[in-house]
Amino acid sequence: GIQVEQSPPDLILQEGANSTLRCNFSDSVNNLQWFHQNPWGQLINLFYIPSGTKQNGRLSATTVATERYSLLYISSSQTTDSGVYFCAVGQTGANNLFFGTGTRLTVIP
Amino acid sequence: DAMVIQNPRYQVTQFGKPVTLSCSQTLNHNVMYWYQQKSSQAPKLLFHYYDKDFNNEADTPDNFQSRRPNTSFCFLDIRSPGLGDAAMYLCATSIYGGVTDTQYFGPGTRLTVL
Repeated sequence: GIQVEQSPPDLILQEGANSTLRCNFSDSVNNLQWFHQNPWGQLINLFYIPSGTKQNGRLSATTVATERYSLLYISSSQTTDSGVYFCAVGQTGANNLFFGTGTRLTVIP
Repeated sequence: DAMVIQNPRYQVTQFGKPVTLSCSQTLNHNVMYWYQQKSSQAPKLLFHYYDKDFNNEADTPDNFQSRRPNTSFCFLDIRSPGLGDAAMYLCATSIYGGVTDTQYFGPGTRLTVL
């Protein structure tokens, strides 16, 4: 099956800093979503972005499908950004999402 | 607000004692999914329903069953929980189940097995 790897696995930031999270995938995809899992376990949709660039406030994401990677940018980080960030991909012929390994982000005041 | 609701949020059961987790949705989506997420791991799909059609993942243990009595509700039954079944169980929905659909997740039920 498709492999989805995220880097870095762990990231500690000072509040106000910027960061870039990366998601690499091993095959062509038709679906790519970024999620934030908060400390209580809730998975929150950030972006649906199988290709191109999107922005939502302090967050933006870019997927370069031909090169099989996606980037999530977090600017001016806040303590509430802490949690685990997952990218998940979907392929034609499969109904489920394959989740990456996750990046655990800790933002310290 | 339309949403995916899971009850209970925390469930404690004893080794071998059957347990049922509940998921409901007000989104009127056709597809409902159950994922298992063990500590420090990514969520893993157990099965999903497209309307009333049940689709089991090949490596989902027989110990796990599911029911969808109507569009709004879906249940996860664990017939004889073992210690290895302790995990967060996440319910998700999508409109059509197509590969390009966005999936929306509930808050999860954290299961502890004593």
